[in-house]
Amino acid sequence: QKEVEQNSGPLSVPEGAIASLNCTYSDRGSQSFFWYRQYSGKSPELIMFIYSNGDKEDGRFTAQLNKASQYVSLLIRDSQPSDSATYLCALLGSNDYKLSFGAGTTVTVRA
Amino acid sequence: GAGVSQSPSNKVTEKGKDVELRCDPISGHTALYWYRQSLGQGLEFLIYFQGNSAPDKSGLPSDRFSAERTGGSVSTLTIQRTQQEDSAVYLCASSHGLAGDLDTQYFGPGTRLTVL
Repeated sequence: QKEVEQNSGPLSVPEGAIASLNCTYSDRGSQSFFWYRQYSGKSPELIMFIYSNGDKEDGRFTAQLNKASQYVSLLIRDSQPSDSATYLCALLGSNDYKLSFGAGTTVTVRA
Repeated sequence: GAGVSQSPSNKVTEKGKDVELRCDPISGHTALYWYRQSLGQGLEFLIYFQGNSAPDKSGLPSDRFSAERTGGSVSTLTIQRTQQEDSAVYLCASSHGLAGDLDTQYFGPGTRLTVL
């Protein structure tokens, strides 16, 4: 079982600020990491994936991976009210296909 | 193109009844997954189908749960003799089934099951 822990939240940030979400994992064999966004009552929607150490940027989103420290994070710059959702961290192990999910962090962006 | 579709979107049933949940994956995706999301819980893996290989049923919580995938496309998850603890959102996902680590899963809208 690949334990995935996320900062518990809820996280409330003002519009325009940076929202920082953290995720740690227990299995050093984990290879691929995903951030999903889930609006209330909706299904998870993929935002980003990352599998190499370092930063990966896509628009206002930046994923950061540090395999040595076993954490992955997601930064949301210039937060908008439409970013208000639960963010799920997920990972795949080497030669694995089952996503292991964290419990999610709920983000609220205050207008 | 069309995403993963699931039906019904909502299902209310009485304890002890059987239910069937359907998933239609993205066209061309060979891998199909079922997950369950209970209130306040993370997503829990249930079962995985890849092509013609035997499915990985290791996540099914009891023998009341079964799933099949016909013709390598549509999948049906069946829960027999439903219990109140089966109440959850059942999510289906599909992917290309690429070898290696990076194979992105795309989720359907889910079926919200309520067992009274």
